[in-house]
Amino acid sequence: NAGVTQTPKFQVLKTGQSMTLQCAQDMNHNSMYWYRQDPGMGLRLIYYSASEGTTDKGEVPNGYNVSRLNKREFSLRLESAAPSQTSVYFCASSEGRFEQFFGPGTRLTVL
Amino acid sequence: QKEVEQNSGPLSVPEGAIASLNCTYSDRVSQSFFWYRQYSGKSPELIMSIYSNGDKEDGRFTAQLNKASQYVSLLIRDSQPSDSATYLCAVNESGGSYIPTFGRGTSLIVHP
Repeated sequence: NAGVTQTPKFQVLKTGQSMTLQCAQDMNHNSMYWYRQDPGMGLRLIYYSASEGTTDKGEVPNGYNVSRLNKREFSLRLESAAPSQTSVYFCASSEGRFEQFFGPGTRLTVL
Repeated sequence: QKEVEQNSGPLSVPEGAIASLNCTYSDRVSQSFFWYRQYSGKSPELIMSIYSNGDKEDGRFTAQLNKASQYVSLLIRDSQPSDSATYLCAVNESGGSYIPTFGRGTSLIVHP
């Protein structure tokens, strides 16, 4: 039972490059989330998916797109990376009103 | 705009003492409340969840919820250096979406 997995763990991009962060969960949760965490800013919600087939914007969606591929997988895409997107990205999943389970995170640097 | 407020700290306590972490929230109809612990460079992990007014105890940890005053607290008894971490308070929206709002976290330092 792996919980929530994320790939890659680390990534360095040049400004303007694109990449996709992958997330998968094996807990049969309906809801999945993407957050970014910057020093002093806490966790900020980028996008979420309340159930398979639906996605919605969070607090900071600009510059990102998401895909809920199936119930297990939720990917985050940066189409044209900018230095302001340098951050640690966490994927999480949950069911109903209960707690979230987080993946190990992806540390992204955009030069 | 729903808000969850925490003192950023750092809160410094000696080993063996009680650490008290506090959180206030703005959405009066919030239903679910969580405390997560996050070590430096790691992801958040759940410490306690609480859904109704009163106290909930789990080992050295006690969560306290007061919906009338809109605050939730976490007490850590017999604090250990291994408890040194950032503690995040999270509050779920009511209704169908249950999207959580996180506080910015309180840094706790337990010194020997």
